[in-house]
Amino acid sequence: EPEVTQTPSHQVTQMGQEVILRCVPISNHLYFYWYRQILGQKVEFLVSFYNNEISEKSEIFDDQFSVERPDGSNFTLKIRSTKLEDSAMYFCASALLDRTRHFGDGTRLSIL
Amino acid sequence: KNEVEQSPQNLTAQEGEFITINCSYSVGISALHWLQQHPGGGIVSLFMLSSGKKKHGRLIATINIQEKHSSLHITASHPRDSAVYICAVTYGDKLIFGTGTRLQVFP
Repeated sequence: EPEVTQTPSHQVTQMGQEVILRCVPISNHLYFYWYRQILGQKVEFLVSFYNNEISEKSEIFDDQFSVERPDGSNFTLKIRSTKLEDSAMYFCASALLDRTRHFGDGTRLSIL
Repeated sequence: KNEVEQSPQNLTAQEGEFITINCSYSVGISALHWLQQHPGGGIVSLFMLSSGKKKHGRLIATINIQEKHSSLHITASHPRDSAVYICAVTYGDKLIFGTGTRLQVFP
């Protein structure tokens, strides 16, 4: 069964550094999402992406965040200048028209 | 105020028991999702429903749109069902998540 893959599984970065989290969605999917889960808290929506543009974003997704689908297969989340509070598990998901989300296994981001 | 409330927060059961997890929401939605999060952190979509009832194997999900309430049932529970079960609602193109119900099923 096709799946969403995320790399790396764990990323450790110094505060203030840029980080790029990578996702390969399921190949024929149309909708792409990023979510985050701070340790011990609920999952939170960050951004949705469709037809090569952001369709919706949360208040968390400020100017420090950006997303890109550079080559038609990868879907990346960039954090420009990381803060301690960016430490979390980041999940990518993709969906067909029915919007059933297929999630990746997540990238654990640790900011030191 | 949480827009999606789940109960109970924690649930323990003996293998074979019938399990019910409840979800209430306060916003107008287009669909409701039940998700399973494994101890390693991965998330699996179990159901997406906007009305009525869906069944997959031992899992049954129901939704009452008028009452803004959904339930997830697990029949003949098994230790491998141990996980966090999350209710989430589609609001625009966002998913708004509940805090999850941690289920442990003992042999």
